[in-house]
Amino acid sequence: GAVVSQHPSWVICKSGTSVKIECRSLDFQATTMFWYRQFPKQSLMLMATSNEGSKATYEQGVEKDKFLINHASLTLSTLTVTSAHPEDSSFYICSARQMAFMNTEAFFGQGTRLTVV
Amino acid sequence: KNQVEQSPQSLIILEGKNCTLQCNYTVSPFSNLRWYKQDTGRGPVSLTIMTFSENTKSNGRYTATLDADTKQSSLHITASQLSDSASYICVVSIRGSQGNLIFGKGTKLSVKP
Repeated sequence: GAVVSQHPSWVICKSGTSVKIECRSLDFQATTMFWYRQFPKQSLMLMATSNEGSKATYEQGVEKDKFLINHASLTLSTLTVTSAHPEDSSFYICSARQMAFMNTEAFFGQGTRLTVV
Repeated sequence: KNQVEQSPQSLIILEGKNCTLQCNYTVSPFSNLRWYKQDTGRGPVSLTIMTFSENTKSNGRYTATLDADTKQSSLHITASQLSDSASYICVVSIRGSQGNLIFGKGTKLSVKP
């Protein structure tokens, strides 16, 4: 199956600093990528949807200035957590699809565990 | 409100036994239903994807069923193995949306020797 690579797999940062997480589709072109956050024992919560070459669409309650998303190419999307705080500590997962609609498979990255101290 | 409910929340079984996980949804309009396996600290991995017209689909020891009338799905695991220990997530896709997926909270399965 298609592979979505997420980097880093874990990161620890100090409060107030920024952290960038990369999501790459390794063997297909992802027109759309999704960013999720997952708290312990909770389901994945969609944060934003990004389409290559355009601005991301953020879900209600997600601060776009805090969670910067860039989808500059068909194989790479980045999520930057700016001025991180301990409450931003979570498991962040990206997902990529070749097409935005119909029954195309959504492939997930392996996730990034962010801990803000 | 679009929701996906899974049961049980957690399950412990002995190696070699079978088990069935349940998923009820109230998502409309419905596009497809997926089952994912998520190991701790990892991203979800797809097991099956089923459309409205499909009643059952198998992937090795995993068999998913879908009843679109009652809006219920099940995932049956046969001859469980220790490596099956994971969270199993039911995800329903909304038709016509830009890939909007509604996630269940998952069933945490523990397979004991």
